[in-house]
Amino acid sequence: EAGVAQSPRYKIIEKRQSVAFWCNPISGHATLYWYQQILGQGPKLLIQFQNNGVVDDSQLPKDRFSAERLKGVDSTLKIQPAKLEDSAVYLCASSHLPGQGSRYEQYFGPGTRLTVT
Amino acid sequence: AQSVTQLDSQVPVFEEAPVELRCNYSSSVSVYLFWYVQYPNQGLQLLLKYLSGSTLVKGINGFEAEFNKSQTSFHLRKPSVHISDTAEYFCAVRENSGNTPLVFGKGTRLSVIA
Repeated sequence: EAGVAQSPRYKIIEKRQSVAFWCNPISGHATLYWYQQILGQGPKLLIQFQNNGVVDDSQLPKDRFSAERLKGVDSTLKIQPAKLEDSAVYLCASSHLPGQGSRYEQYFGPGTRLTVT
Repeated sequence: AQSVTQLDSQVPVFEEAPVELRCNYSSSVSVYLFWYVQYPNQGLQLLLKYLSGSTLVKGINGFEAEFNKSQTSFHLRKPSVHISDTAEYFCAVRENSGNTPLVFGKGTRLSVIA
């Protein structure tokens, strides 16, 4: 099966500009996650969707970050305006719901590396 | 809430030598445990997982890990490493109920020296 797709792979912007990332999860996966991975650290959850509803966005900086998952499939993550500290790799992951297939595993995309100058 | 501590940020090791990457976790509830590997400019790939049962779990690429509940540890081992094992390794936990996200450690950079 095809893996999690993300685009773009790399993005360089200036501070205060806006940027958007796109994720297409594995077909049939109801749960979608966005993680932020700052250099030298492990990934940190930003937001979790189940179908097109938000399950957990407690660590999303809502003053500048927003995310949506249209029709329970693709998702976009937006930053507006960007700050220098937003430089990171943004990882998208997907998984089945409990009771469907292997609910314990999350499958990760290649990530988008954002550099804010 | 859960937390994960990876005790070594960098581990250099010679090719064909054994290696152990250490991971300790903290949680007030029962958890599932995972090790992921990240090669340069790539996403995370699952190496192995502990859900229940035997405390020694085997994964891909010859890696294994042992769950120790009393020491709240989940150390990753390989008896003989290859150059191709050079990568970043992440230990992660999640609650064993519901559809909860992963909580990751900061990672250990394994460098295999020829």
